[in-house]
Order: sequence, then structure tokens, then C-alpha cells
Amino acid sequence: QKEVEQNSGPLSVPEGAIASLNCTYSDRVSQSFFWYRQYSGKSPELIMSIYSNGDKEDGRFTAQLNKASQYVSLLIRDSQPSDSATYLCAVKNRDDKIIFGKGTRLHILP
Amino acid sequence: DVKVTQSSRYLVKRTGEKVFLECVQDMDHENMFWYRQDPGLGLRLIYFSYDVKMKEKGDIPEGYSVSREKKERFSLILESASTNQTSMYLCASSFPLVAYGYTFGSGTRLTVV
Repeated sequence: QKEVEQNSGPLSVPEGAIASLNCTYSDRVSQSFFWYRQYSGKSPELIMSIYSNGDKEDGRFTAQLNKASQYVSLLIRDSQPSDSATYLCAVKNRDDKIIFGKGTRLHILP
Repeated sequence: DVKVTQSSRYLVKRTGEKVFLECVQDMDHENMFWYRQDPGLGLRLIYFSYDVKMKEKGDIPEGYSVSREKKERFSLILESASTNQTSMYLCASSFPLVAYGYTFGSGTRLTVV
């Protein structure tokens, strides 16, 4: 059974601090990795994608991938109250299907 | 702005009714998906399609069927709605390449009474 695991949270982070969200996956042949943000009552929105080992930065967001450890993370710098949401880790395999984690609830404390 | 449009934001139906949920995308995506999302259970794949007229069962297809007569439209059908099908239904689409993530519609909150 291919799985994507995330801590459900809530993860509480003070405003202006770095929020660190983590994810592990079980299928070694996974090829693409995504982070989605989902506000309460809304649909998931793609915010980051990463395919190669290392870091990928986009504004305040950095995605990190370690395929040997089967580990993906998302760092949010200078956290803002608007970053409060559920973050879904997602892994795509060669069959074009994405496996989603259940998400981590992030709460930024003003 | 590219879009995945779901026909209804909120829907209330009676037990036993046949329910149609419509999804249309304007991005010329080959792949389309239907998920339901429930608290504590995450996103669960119901059906997907990689081409017109093609459909494949996902993880929880029981009680559902789908139709894809045109590339841009993927419909989810609840043959006889039951209260355990009360959920948020999300349609998504993507290009058929590993590098592409999904684009989601805004979702339909279905309540079966």
C-alpha cells in the first residue's frame, strides 16, 4: 500500500517565525512531489512542486526533498496569519496518480 | 486564468435520488479525477479518466459511476444517494506527465438527507 504520512497537527508557530512541515512516503519509485495549501472550506491549491533532491525556493516557501530517506519538507519563512491552513503533501508515481497525505494543520499565532 | 469548474458549490439531495456532479476544465487536460474529502480520512479517489470515454475505478468506487463524453467534462453520478455519501466532492485535472500536479475545482459540498 503506497502511503504518504504527515503529522496531523495542529502545528502552532508564532508570526514571523519559520514553520516546518514534514512528510514521508513509502514508494521508492515516486517521481514528483507537491505541497498543497487548503484553507478551511476551500479546495487544495498547489503551492510547490519538487522533483530532484535538494531545496527549491519560491518566495517565502522552500521545499526540500531527500529521496534516499523518502522525506519531503516545506519551510515557510516569516510566517503570516494568512499562512494558517492545512498543508497537504502529495506524491506522484509513474501511473500518473497522486497519493495525498491527510494534511498538517498549521496555525500562525499573531 | 485556467479553471476547473464544478457546477454546484452546495447541494442538498434526498436519500435515493440520482445525483449528477459536473466538472468542466478549460486547460485541455487529458487526465481528470473525482475525490471525496472527509474529516480525518483525507482525500479519497473515487474514479479517474485518462482520456475521453475512458474511466478507471479509484479506491472507493462503490455507489458511484462516471461519464466522460468530452475531453473537458467529467461527471460523477451517485446512482442512489445515501446519507454516507454526504461529503465534499472535489474534481481535479492534469496533463499526463509525471511533473504536473493537479488543479482542483472549488468543490461541491453535498448533503444527503
